[in-house]
Amino acid sequence: EIVLTQSPGTLSLSPGERATLSCRASQSVGGSYLAWYQQKRGQAPRLLIYGASSRATGIPDRFSGSGSGTDFSLTISRLEPEDFAVYYCQQYSSSPTTFGGGTKVEIK
Amino acid sequence: QVQLVASGGGLVKPGGSLRLSCAASGFSFSDYYMSWVRQAPGKGLEWISYISNSGLSTDYRDSVKGRFTISRDNTKNSLSLQMNSLRVEDTALYFCARDVSSGGIDLWGLGTLVTVSS
Repeated sequence: EIVLTQSPGTLSLSPGERATLSCRASQSVGGSYLAWYQQKRGQAPRLLIYGASSRATGIPDRFSGSGSGTDFSLTISRLEPEDFAVYYCQQYSSSPTTFGGGTKVEIK
Repeated sequence: QVQLVASGGGLVKPGGSLRLSCAASGFSFSDYYMSWVRQAPGKGLEWISYISNSGLSTDYRDSVKGRFTISRDNTKNSLSLQMNSLRVEDTALYFCARDVSSGGIDLWGLGTLVTVSS
C-alpha cells in the first residue's frame, strides 16, 4: 500500500502567516489522485482539496494544493483563526486508499 | 438537509460483535459509493471499507477482511457495517462517509464510538 508521510508534525504559526504543509508518498500517486482534509477537535474531517489542486465546494481561495508524483503540498496563504486544526492528506490512486498521519497547525 | 447519521457504537468485549448503521438524508443515496473510516483515540484516519452505489462491489482493508461486512439498502437510504470478532485495536470513532467520483470524501457523519475492552 502507498504510505503517506506528512511533515512537519506540528506547525506553529501566527494568524496572517503563510502555512505550507507537505505530503510525501512512498510511490507515485497516479492521476494526482490526492485529497486534503481539515479536522477540528471533536468534528468530522472536511474536504478541502481533491485531485491534488482542485478546491472543494465552498473552500476559500486561501487554500491551495499542488504537486504530483510523490510530492504534494497544501498552502494556506494567510492563516485565519479558524484555520488552526489538523490537516490530513489522502491518496485514492490505489487500493487501499490511505491517509497521512496529519499535520497540526497551532497558534504560535 | 444533507447529512449522515451513524449509530450503533458501544462497549463490547474482545471477540464480540456490533452492527453500525448510517442513515443518509438530503441527497440521492443510490448515486454514491459509500465508505467507513475510523479514527482511534488521538490518532489519524484509517479507511475500513467501501461499497459501490449498487452494492455489488465492496473492498476492505486487510486487517478487517473476514471480520467486517459492509452493506447498504438503497430503498432505505442506509449503510451498515457488521463487525465480528472484534479486537482491542478496533477501538475507534467510526465515520460513515460519502465518496465522490471526482475524488475524496465530501460528506462525513459525526461518527459513532466503538470501544473494545474486557
